[in-house]
Amino acid sequence: TQLLEQSPQFLSIQEGENLTVYCNSSSVFSSLQWYRQEPGEGPVLLVTVVTGGEVKKLKRLTFQFGDARKDSSLHITAAQPGDTGLYLCAGETSGSRLTFGEGTQLTVNP
Amino acid sequence: KAGVTQTPRYLIKTRGQQVTLSCSPISGHRSVSWYQQTPGQGLQFLFEYFSETQRNKGNFPGRFSGRQFSNSRSEMNVSTLELGDSALYLCASSPHNQGPHYGYTFGSGTRLTVV
Repeated sequence: TQLLEQSPQFLSIQEGENLTVYCNSSSVFSSLQWYRQEPGEGPVLLVTVVTGGEVKKLKRLTFQFGDARKDSSLHITAAQPGDTGLYLCAGETSGSRLTFGEGTQLTVNP
Repeated sequence: KAGVTQTPRYLIKTRGQQVTLSCSPISGHRSVSWYQQTPGQGLQFLFEYFSETQRNKGNFPGRFSGRQFSNSRSEMNVSTLELGDSALYLCASSPHNQGPHYGYTFGSGTRLTVV
């Protein structure tokens, strides 16, 4: 079974702080995606990375794909209450399927 | 542009019954996948369809089945419901032949409760 270990599981910070979420595996992924999910809704795609070492920036969010395509990180600068949500990493494995991490529940307090 | 539409949003069923969930992907999207989300297991892959063909299936019992129609709409069926089938069932679509390679658009899900 291919597993994606995501850490931390829970994160509660104050507005304006920075944070990093990690996603690690022993498996190589064809692509890796980050989603954000709010209660009662489906996950919303934030970014897809496909090349080892790739870095993508989306406003205050920075995503990095490891050189070996086994791990990834999400860094948020100056977090805001609107960033609150469940962050999920997902690796694409053979057979057109995504393997999801357990998720990081982020709470940003005003 | 309409998103991925899942119906119904909520469903309560009794053990032993069967249920059918529906998913209408974004217009033009031919790849449709289904995932089960529970607090204990997170998101687990059920199956993926492309152009009416099931290309891959996850590790779920045969009580879970699905199909895709010529208009790309998809249904999943769960027979002989068990309490453990209570979950949020999510449908996701992609315009790409490679399925999830460039990311999925998910629907809001169907919350199934088995009592």
